[in-house]
Amino acid sequence: QSALTQPASVSGSPGQSITISCTGTDSDVGGYNYVSWYQQYPGKAPKVLIYDVTNRPSGISNRFSGSKSGNTASLTISGLQAEDEADYYCSSLTSSATLLFGGGTKLTVL
Amino acid sequence: QLLESGGGLVQPGGSLRLSCAASGFTFNIYGMSWVRQAPGRGLEWVSGISGSASRRYYADSVKGRFTISRDNSKNTVYLQMNSLRAEDTAVYFCAKDRRMTLIAVDNWGQGTLVTVSS
Repeated sequence: QSALTQPASVSGSPGQSITISCTGTDSDVGGYNYVSWYQQYPGKAPKVLIYDVTNRPSGISNRFSGSKSGNTASLTISGLQAEDEADYYCSSLTSSATLLFGGGTKLTVL
Repeated sequence: QLLESGGGLVQPGGSLRLSCAASGFTFNIYGMSWVRQAPGRGLEWVSGISGSASRRYYADSVKGRFTISRDNSKNTVYLQMNSLRAEDTAVYFCAKDRRMTLIAVDNWGQGTLVTVSS
């Protein structure tokens, strides 16, 4: 199964907002509200930012928010900070009861 | 906490078994997955197993070659990898799911590196 589609890179200046999209199909993103977003720094394990499309685990800044429309989910980071520079991945449950990740997006804070 | 072990260098066609020891949560009520990341590449879900071990799932890329299992008495999940190929070279992360079945990863180990090379 092909990875969910994410832009390879996005960038923004400190204080700005950016949005990362994650496009799938009716059999994954569009079919379930089990989309998660992860942040990963180089050489480190990923960390969950958003689960079930819109929910933030305790301890995650409210600068991170998630949404979904049809087969596309989105992660928005507001008030961009230098520490947000990292790789971001989406994931979704699929109709085969497996998990599928996006190809990843590298965020650069200018 | 999730602590992987068992990674290393193996020749093409060889086998390796990864282990992941879990602590700090009630192991048998959560699904577990293995997710890998090839050098410089993105995350790829490899395999998952339900909390009771009654259901096992595999990515097409490893089906028939990898086997996932778990021992709830030892709070450990395993990944038996056979017929290894160069393209299996990656950091393998052990990952805990939010529920007994697979819906989404909510916690990750630090990973163990598997290198397939002659």
